[in-house]
Amino acid sequence: QLQLQESGSGVVKPSETLSLTCTVSGGSMNISFYYWSWIRQPPGKGLEWIANIYYTGSTHYNPSLKSRVSISVDTSKSQFSLRLSSVTAADTAVYYCARRSYTASFFPWGQGTLVTVSS
Amino acid sequence: QSVLTQPPSVSAAPGQKVTISCSGTTSNIGNNYVSWYQQVPGPAPKLLIYENNKRPSGIPDRFSGSKSGTSATLGITGLQTGDEADYYCGTWDSSLSAVVFGGGTRLTVL
Repeated sequence: QLQLQESGSGVVKPSETLSLTCTVSGGSMNISFYYWSWIRQPPGKGLEWIANIYYTGSTHYNPSLKSRVSISVDTSKSQFSLRLSSVTAADTAVYYCARRSYTASFFPWGQGTLVTVSS
Repeated sequence: QSVLTQPPSVSAAPGQKVTISCSGTTSNIGNNYVSWYQQVPGPAPKLLIYENNKRPSGIPDRFSGSKSGTSATLGITGLQTGDEADYYCGTWDSSLSAVVFGGGTRLTVL
């Protein structure tokens, strides 16, 4: 059974860089037609897709965040990572990692990790 | 403002049926698959419907999905108190080149 687990900094200072890692277990990351994704949800608000990466390293970013976002993958460790630079309070959210199908559905999801931007 | 439009809330009595709409454009729903997610307070969203009307293993057939033109609908029959949650639709937007979600619909089972 495929499982995903987020880890990383829970509090980030304004203007600094948020870093998160998602560890995949119970299955291989080297699988065709699936992407590895990050999605976030600000407190009390809806879902926002951030980015995804293919096991080959091919990336795709949400245009609204593209200038600040970087996603990478290390299949040898079964991990993929997110970096979001120049954070502000608006980046405070629960960050989820998930596997995305080529038809843009997400399953499964990690449990999510709250990242708070605060000095 | 979300790219996909959902009603903020719906309600119905236990045992009844409810539908949740998701409205978009030809750039998103009109030409791409729609998925639906259930999020009870706390845990991560759970995939309910993918590729417009397919249910993942373990999702009861009380949940159904359909799509017509630039709108999609989630149907839930035999409502249970455990169905109280936020429901989100999602799809690919070819113009934005991004996955987009609706703003979410809060279901209350009275």
